[in-house]
Amino acid sequence: AQSVTQLGSHVSVSEGALVLLRCNYSSSVPPYLFWYVQYPNQGLQLLLKYTSAATLVKGINGFEAEFKKSETSFHLTKPSAHMSDAAEYFCAVSDLTGGTSYGKLTFGQGTILTVHP
Amino acid sequence: DTAVSQTPKYLVTQMGNDKSIKCEQNLGHDTMYWYKQDSKKFLKIMFSYNNKELIINETVPNRFSPKSPDKAHLNLHINSLELGDSAVYFCASSQLGQHEQFFGPGTRLTVL
Repeated sequence: AQSVTQLGSHVSVSEGALVLLRCNYSSSVPPYLFWYVQYPNQGLQLLLKYTSAATLVKGINGFEAEFKKSETSFHLTKPSAHMSDAAEYFCAVSDLTGGTSYGKLTFGQGTILTVHP
Repeated sequence: DTAVSQTPKYLVTQMGNDKSIKCEQNLGHDTMYWYKQDSKKFLKIMFSYNNKELIINETVPNRFSPKSPDKAHLNLHINSLELGDSAVYFCASSQLGQHEQFFGPGTRLTVL
């Protein structure tokens, strides 16, 4: 079974500072990895995805993530935090259930990002 | 322009009642999902349907019965609601062969 661990349930940064949200995965097959963002009382919005192409993936709102197979990690970064980045972020891995491509997403526990002025 | 929509957005009901949540997607996808987000914000898949056929059932109590009248709709009916059913329920969809899933805005269910 696949699993995802997000290190740090809360991360707090100052506006303009580097954002680093950590995600480690466990998978017996090459994974498909995702970062989703959830703003308060809203649904999940896809930030970016890794699907075995380039290991450095760029997403929306200036976010990017690097797939490191040796470290089984897919950390999310943004060079300069903005107040509007305050939200909860979820890392997820896609499972090839039953050998098909239907898949299901297994999520990490989430990391709440707070941005201070 | 809404891609994945859910109704209602909020649902407050008494224990023992039966309720339904509706989901529709206009993305032309053939696979739809229900996820439950508990009070600690943990997200877990409940069901998945592909072309109206159930393909994933993650040991969800049989009080929960998904129904897919066509591939654009996946409704969730819950019988004999319990306090522990209080959560946010998200519908999602994807295209066969694509792992990216698109989520609806969620339905916050509160059981009193």
